Amino acid sequence: GAVVSQHPSWVICKSGTSVKIECRSLDFQATTMFWYRQFPKQSLMLMATSNEGSKATYEQGVEKDKFLINHASLTLSTLTVTSAHPEDSSFYICSAAMTGEDYGYTFGSGTRLTVV
Amino acid sequence: GQNIDQPTEMTATEGAIVQINCTYQTSGFNGLFWYQQHAGEAPTFLSYNVLDGLEEKGRFSSFLSRSKGYSYLLLKELQMKDSASYLCAVKDSNYQLIWGAGTKLIIKP
Repeated sequence: GAVVSQHPSWVICKSGTSVKIECRSLDFQATTMFWYRQFPKQSLMLMATSNEGSKATYEQGVEKDKFLINHASLTLSTLTVTSAHPEDSSFYICSAAMTGEDYGYTFGSGTRLTVV
Repeated sequence: GQNIDQPTEMTATEGAIVQINCTYQTSGFNGLFWYQQHAGEAPTFLSYNVLDGLEEKGRFSSFLSRSKGYSYLLLKELQMKDSASYLCAVKDSNYQLIWGAGTKLIIKP
């Protein structure tokens, strides 16, 4: 089946630093990648949708200059949290939509970010 | 606005059957998904319904009524490992996934 590899699984960083999270589709081409954030005991919140080769579309309230998304190829999308603050501590998950399928959404394993 | 409602928490006994309901009001409908999410992990796909009726897959079944904006996930022969959150999500007219807040299912021996 389709696999999305997400790294790192967890990361601890200091306030003010930047963190990059990678999602790779291993055996299929992901034309669209969704980035979610999930706070404890809450549902998934869509942050942005990225399409290969174009700028990401951010949801209302998500700062595009803080959460930089790059989708340079059909197999790789990255999310960079810039100048991280403790309130950015959360569980970040990517999800890829498979090309040519009407319902294929595959999730990465998630990244637990803790900003201290 | 778009809205998906599901119970916050449910408790059931090992070996029993439980039904988790989901109602939705969305701008358009292009399918409904159920995902299972264990604590600290990413969601895993359980089922997809786009037409009315019941889809059965092993111990799990999912039902959809588009006219009522209603779905349920039925879990049979409950096992302790089924303790997790169950997320209902609807794909709207823009093919965006709208997520419910999830139902935490607690299985007791």
